[in-house]
Amino acid sequence: KQEVTQIPAALSVPEGENLVLNCSFTDSAIYNLQWFRQDPGKGLTSLLLIQSSQREQTSGRLNASLDKSSGRSTLYIAASQPGDSATYLCAVFLDSSYKLIFGSGTRLLVRP
Amino acid sequence: GAGVSQSPRYKVAKRGQDVALRCDPISGHVSLFWYQQALGQGPEFLTYFQNEAQLDKSGLPSDRFFAERPEGSVSTLKIQRTQQEDSAVYLCASSLGVTTAYNEQFFGPGTRLTVL
Repeated sequence: KQEVTQIPAALSVPEGENLVLNCSFTDSAIYNLQWFRQDPGKGLTSLLLIQSSQREQTSGRLNASLDKSSGRSTLYIAASQPGDSATYLCAVFLDSSYKLIFGSGTRLLVRP
Repeated sequence: GAGVSQSPRYKVAKRGQDVALRCDPISGHVSLFWYQQALGQGPEFLTYFQNEAQLDKSGLPSDRFFAERPEGSVSTLKIQRTQQEDSAVYLCASSLGVTTAYNEQFFGPGTRLTVL
């Protein structure tokens, strides 16, 4: 059974810091991995989608990497801003399924 | 174009009441998904539709939960005789295709259900 784990569960950093969020999954037979952002009381906003054949994706200050063989992904946020404060969710899409399997998320607070 | 919309955004129900949650997917999207997100947790899969066909309902927690998509567009998630443990955010997502090649899912804002 696929399990997705995110570490840390919560993170508080001062504005301007570079930070890394971690995601691990137990079954390497994934089709893709997706990072989402969720603001309080809001739905999910897709940040980056990495296909299993890719190693990384970049969008602005965000960079996501994927190491399928070791079952790990990282989301790197450069020069963090208070507006980055949100919960970040990692999800994997299995080869054999259409279901997204989510981690529990990392709650990020960027202090001014 | 419009994204996925859900209504109501908030619903408070007394224990034992029936509720109906609506999802309007992105126009033309074939696949539709329902997820349940408990407080402090990631979303968990409930059910999947391909057009009007419900292909997977393995995530529905009990027979009190029922979902339909009669015309292959709008979907309704119904919960009968609500219980306190049903309190959660219910998220709807849609995606363009039926194959894994088009599987990026776009999420709605969710309906926050509180059962008193």
